[in-house]
Amino acid sequence: DTAVSQTPKYLVTQMGNDKSIKCEQNLGHDTMYWYKQDSKKFLKIMFSYNNKELIINETVPNRFSPKSPDKAHLNLHINSLELGDSAVYFCASSQDKAAGNEQFFGPGTRLTVL
Amino acid sequence: AQSVTQLGSHVSVSEGALVLLRCNYSSSVPPYLFWYVQYPNQGLQLLLKYTSAATLVKGINGFEAEFKKSETSFHLTKPSAHMSDAAEYFCAVSLSLGWGYQKVTFGIGTKLQVIP
Repeated sequence: DTAVSQTPKYLVTQMGNDKSIKCEQNLGHDTMYWYKQDSKKFLKIMFSYNNKELIINETVPNRFSPKSPDKAHLNLHINSLELGDSAVYFCASSQDKAAGNEQFFGPGTRLTVL
Repeated sequence: AQSVTQLGSHVSVSEGALVLLRCNYSSSVPPYLFWYVQYPNQGLQLLLKYTSAATLVKGINGFEAEFKKSETSFHLTKPSAHMSDAAEYFCAVSLSLGWGYQKVTFGIGTKLQVIP
């Protein structure tokens, strides 16, 4: 039973296209996150949602728009894809927003922009 | 501002040898510290975390880490490396921001290679 799942696992697309990545957690957690991992494995927070409300937006371009229809789902839509968007995107969740909470990560979505 | 520095982006050890992965943190307040492991083509999973209860923290798979405030360090160790320990290891610090939510900052990662 997968705790944090993401779809798709791989995404290959052309520059300028729009794409979405979906994330679901079945842990009953209140807080969800999107991270970007670049080719050098550096992991950077993009967004954090708590009970469907945006609480962290780390100066991510407006082309990235997260959406949380309910607290178990956090989707990421990307408009006008650029070469630099190629990376692995990880969704994660934690019990709540407080510091010190363990984060549970999904398997990642490898996005390749051609 | 909070940050973590992992010394050594690549570490190689022989099977059965001691594993030591270094992490130093920078924080103006007592931090929460984590070590996560990432196996190839997988997401991160928690190895252990420090939450001020005890300075020596034991985690999964025989790993442990010691919080040393005087050295601002949280190094990860394992007495005897197994081939299955080959992975990328991330040190992370979590701080509470103004509205009571956490921001987690990850180090650049250390790739551990285990030589048979």
